[in-house]
Amino acid sequence: DTAVSQTPKYLVTQMGNDKSIKCEQNLGHDTMYWYKQDSKKFLKIMFSYNNKELIINETVPNRFSPKSPDKAHLNLHINSLELGDSAVYFCATQVTSGYNEQFFGPGTRLTVL
Amino acid sequence: EDKVVQSPLSLVVHEGDTVTLNCSYEVTNFRSLLWYKQEKKAPTFLFMLTSSGIEKKSGRLSSILDKKELFSILNITATQTGDSAVYLCAVRIVGYALNFGKGTSLLVTP
Repeated sequence: DTAVSQTPKYLVTQMGNDKSIKCEQNLGHDTMYWYKQDSKKFLKIMFSYNNKELIINETVPNRFSPKSPDKAHLNLHINSLELGDSAVYFCATQVTSGYNEQFFGPGTRLTVL
Repeated sequence: EDKVVQSPLSLVVHEGDTVTLNCSYEVTNFRSLLWYKQEKKAPTFLFMLTSSGIEKKSGRLSSILDKKELFSILNITATQTGDSAVYLCAVRIVGYALNFGKGTSLLVTP
């Protein structure tokens, strides 16, 4: 079983559309994250969720909204997509009792046309 | 503002060479520093360092942290073509999130 999975793997859509990316983990970790990796491979934190509570919200546009229906899922909803949203989005998870490594999902490559 | 700077940004070596990748940081509340390897897909974890001077080793890879001078190095000895990847350094910040550097792209040629 894949520890951290994301769907879809690829997403191609038009500007102005609304789309969601899903993340699921079966590790029982209590903190989940969304990162964005741009075309220059720079990986940047977007959101951090702990036990369904948002604890970090970096300076991302409010068109991006994370939603956590339960501890195993953290979805990313994006409204009114723009060209600059094209990137690879990675979900990651971690046990927060101590300083542990983060486990990354396979990524979702979003292309906005 | 927290900063993580990696150098060099890219590197081309021959198989068998030894490489040293650098990561320097400026963060307000340092907790730990992590190294990841990214090939085509997700970053995969290599090392986590929290204490100065203690070398972590895994096969041909090793890493060490200097909390006084605020840097870490990742060494790869006897490089192989399979070591070709982007190596990412990250420092843990508030909320346990990771603040990543821009990575070092390593290409090992046969």
